[in-house]
This record gives sequence, structure tokens and C-alpha cells, in this order.
Amino acid sequence: GIQVEQSPPDLILQEGANSTLRCNFSDSVNNLQWFHQNPWGQLINLFYIPSGTKQNGRLSATTVATERYSLLYISSSQTTDSGVYFCAVGWTGANNLFFGTGTRLTVIP
Amino acid sequence: GAVVSQHPSWVICKSGTSVKIECRSLDFQATTMFWYRQFPKQSLMLMATSNEGSKATYEQGVEKDKFLINHASLTLSTLTVTSAHPEDSSFYICSARDMYSSTDTQYFGPGTRLTVL
Repeated sequence: GIQVEQSPPDLILQEGANSTLRCNFSDSVNNLQWFHQNPWGQLINLFYIPSGTKQNGRLSATTVATERYSLLYISSSQTTDSGVYFCAVGWTGANNLFFGTGTRLTVIP
Repeated sequence: GAVVSQHPSWVICKSGTSVKIECRSLDFQATTMFWYRQFPKQSLMLMATSNEGSKATYEQGVEKDKFLINHASLTLSTLTVTSAHPEDSSFYICSARDMYSSTDTQYFGPGTRLTVL
């Protein structure tokens, strides 16, 4: 099956710092989503980004489908950004998503 | 928009009992819903795909007789863990895709934490 690897596995940031999270996948996909799982377990949709670049406030994401990776940028991090960030990939029409290994982010004041 | 609810949010039960978890799409319709399981500090693993009006599709290694799935309407899917044992303790999360959406975006419920004593 498809392998979805995320790096780094753990990241500790000072509030206000910027970071880049990476997601590598082993096969061609046409569905990619980024999620933030908060400390209570809720998965929050950040981006649906099978290709290209999107921005939403302090967050932005870029997917280079031909090279099989996606990046999530967090700028001016806040303590509320803490949690686990997952990328998940799949194929149009196949519906199910395969989740990456996750990056656990801790933002300290 | 695109809200998915789950009930209950947590449940503690005795070994050997059955537990039913509900997943509802509140403001959209979904012909397909998904059930995931997440163990502590691990990623989400897909258990099964729930199809409205037909049988669920289970992933390899997931016992269909133990994890009963019913998708009776376009807004409700249920997962019943039968004869639960301590190793079934986990965080169960459902998701749904808006059947009228032009993208494959999945929306996730808040999860149900199951503890089997």
C-alpha cells in the first residue's frame, strides 16, 4: 500500500516562530488534505490541496504532486497551534484517505 | 457548514458488552462515511467504509462480525463494537464526504473514546 511519511515527527517552537512540515508519499495521488488534531482529538480541516499552493491566514500549503510531497507552513506560531498535524492522501473516486505518521507540534510561550 | 457529530463522546464499558457509536452529518448528506481507529500517539487507521443502503467494506484485518456497521440514511452511520474487550479500547473517529461537493474533502467527527474494563 501507499506510504505516507511526515517530518519532523516532533517539533517544539517558541511562540512567534515559523515552521515547515513535510509530507512525502510513495505513489501518485490526486487527493491530499492537511488536518490539525487538537488536544481533544478533533480533526480540523486545514487544506484540500492535491496540487498547487493555498494560503489561509498564517497557514499556507504547497503540494508538488509530480514529486510526491506537500509542505505546510505555519508562520508566527501561537500556543493554540499546538497539536498533531496530519496529511492524508487518496484518489478521486476511491474516497478513503491514507493518513501520514503525523507531526506533533508544541508551541511554548 | 460541513459538521459531523458523534455520540457518545466517551464511553466506559465492561468486557463482553456491546457499544454503539453514532456518526451524523448535520448539514449535508453523505452516501459514504468512514470509520477510523486511533491508538494513543499513533496515526488514524481506516477500519471500514460505510455505504448508505448497502454493506460496509472492511479493511484487511478488521473483523466485520465484531465491528458492525449500519448506514441506514444519508446522514447517519453507526458502529457497534460487539463483545468488547480491553484491546478494543481506542479512539474511534468517523468522517463523511458531502455527496454534492465538487471535491473529495472529508469532514471528521470529534471522535469517541472507548475504554473497555
